[in-house]
Amino acid sequence: DGGITQSPKYLFRKEGQNVTLSCEQNLNHDAMYWYRQDPGQGLRLIYYSQIVNDFQKGDIAEGYSVSREKKESFPLTVTSAQKNPTAFYLCASSWTGRGGYTIYFGEGSWLTVV
Amino acid sequence: KQEVTQIPAALSVPEGENLVLNCSFTDSAIYNLQWFRQDPGKGLTSLLLIQSSQREQTSGRLNASLDKSSGRSTLYIAASQPGDSATYLCAVDLGSGTYKYIFGTGTRLKVLA
Repeated sequence: DGGITQSPKYLFRKEGQNVTLSCEQNLNHDAMYWYRQDPGQGLRLIYYSQIVNDFQKGDIAEGYSVSREKKESFPLTVTSAQKNPTAFYLCASSWTGRGGYTIYFGEGSWLTVV
Repeated sequence: KQEVTQIPAALSVPEGENLVLNCSFTDSAIYNLQWFRQDPGKGLTSLLLIQSSQREQTSGRLNASLDKSSGRSTLYIAASQPGDSATYLCAVDLGSGTYKYIFGTGTRLKVLA
């Protein structure tokens, strides 16, 4: 089935540790996104990428890094510089170009600092 | 700066009731508006997409309208069912090739059997 796969579903990070969240899509979409969701809040954009080897910062990029070496993959690294990383992380993808397009989301990854 | 607001934050209704969820945005220069459903601990599922040139979209018991001039969108759910219980979020696309959506905080809906 086509879709977006995020892994792991649950991840625990120790203080000072970097962790990487995986996101893979087989929808042949050009654009991919990472959002962060805190309890009772909407989604905030961390990074997005419209094509391979190119990405842009979203509204809350500090303490995060990404790469887009393949069209299907857009991993997110939460670095030790991110002071409050405990949250629900959502990866998404969509077509680009003129006209309306639907954004498809993965099932999310829970990150907890211990 | 574009801001998206959804009121109420939570809503409980008896089964079978028709209901309306509201979404407001501060800048009318949007490209698209999309409504999503989110179940607890899950990702988002797109329900309806309204392009800026459209006034409404329908899918089954769902109808979404868009009034750009007033900065408002509504999601109408007919004959609500317990399975409709979820959080509903709206998001606006800023356009201009940014491919960035700004999300509201959502309305948590509970339909009582």
